[in-house]
Amino acid sequence: QQQVKQSPQSLIVQKGGISIINCAYENTAFDYFPWYQQFPGKGPALLIAIRPDVSEKKEGRFTISFNKSAKQFSLHIMDSQPGDSATYFCAATVTSGTYKYIFGTGTRLKVLA
Amino acid sequence: NAGVTQTPKFQVLKTGQSMTLQCAQDMNHNSMYWYRQDPGMGLRLIYYSASEGTTDKGEVPNGYNVSRLNKREFSLRLESAAPSQTSVYFCASSFSGKQETQYFGPGTRLLVL
Repeated sequence: QQQVKQSPQSLIVQKGGISIINCAYENTAFDYFPWYQQFPGKGPALLIAIRPDVSEKKEGRFTISFNKSAKQFSLHIMDSQPGDSATYFCAATVTSGTYKYIFGTGTRLKVLA
Repeated sequence: NAGVTQTPKFQVLKTGQSMTLQCAQDMNHNSMYWYRQDPGMGLRLIYYSASEGTTDKGEVPNGYNVSRLNKREFSLRLESAAPSQTSVYFCASSFSGKQETQYFGPGTRLLVL
C-alpha cells in the first residue's frame, strides 16, 4: 500500500515532442505529490509538485495531471528539449506525518535533437 | 549558501571495512534523510531524523547506523561493509511542518569490493 508505481522505465522522445510519465499509488492518505528531476552525477531536484485538491498544475513546459479517483498522476513535458534528458522520479507523502517520501522507480528520458 | 553537502564524493571499500558518510545542511532545516539509489529501484529511505535528537528507520535500514550530531549534521555509518551496499547515497533535508520540499545533496558513490 506504500508503493508508488512509475512507468515507463525509459522513454525516448524527439525534440519538440511530448513526454509523458505516469505514476500510480494506493495509499489514499498521500496528500503531496512531487516530481524530481535528476541529471547524471547530480542529486535529485524538485521540478513541480501538486496536492490532490487540484486536477492539474502547470509550470512552463511542465504539467502535472492528477486523477484522484484513479489514484494516478502524470508528468507531461511539452515541447521536449535535449536539455530535458534526465531521470524523473515521482513521489508521494503524507504531510501531516514525518514527511517521508515514497519514490517511484524512476524514468530515464532521452530527448533526441 | 551551500545547501546540502556530502563527503566523500566517492569511496572504495573492501568487504568488512567500516566508514562514515557525512552530510551537512545550512538551511536551518529540522528534518534530514539518508537514501540509497540503485538502478531500477529508485530512491529508498535508509534512515531519517524528523528533528534534532531523533532518528527512525526507513525502508532499508539493515547494515546501517545514523547519528544526528546537531541540527546541521546527519551521518550514516556502515559498520561492516558488504558488496550489497554498493550504491549511490544521497542525503536530503527539509523544513518539515512548514514546507514539503526535500533538498538533496550531490551524493556519495560507494563501491564495496
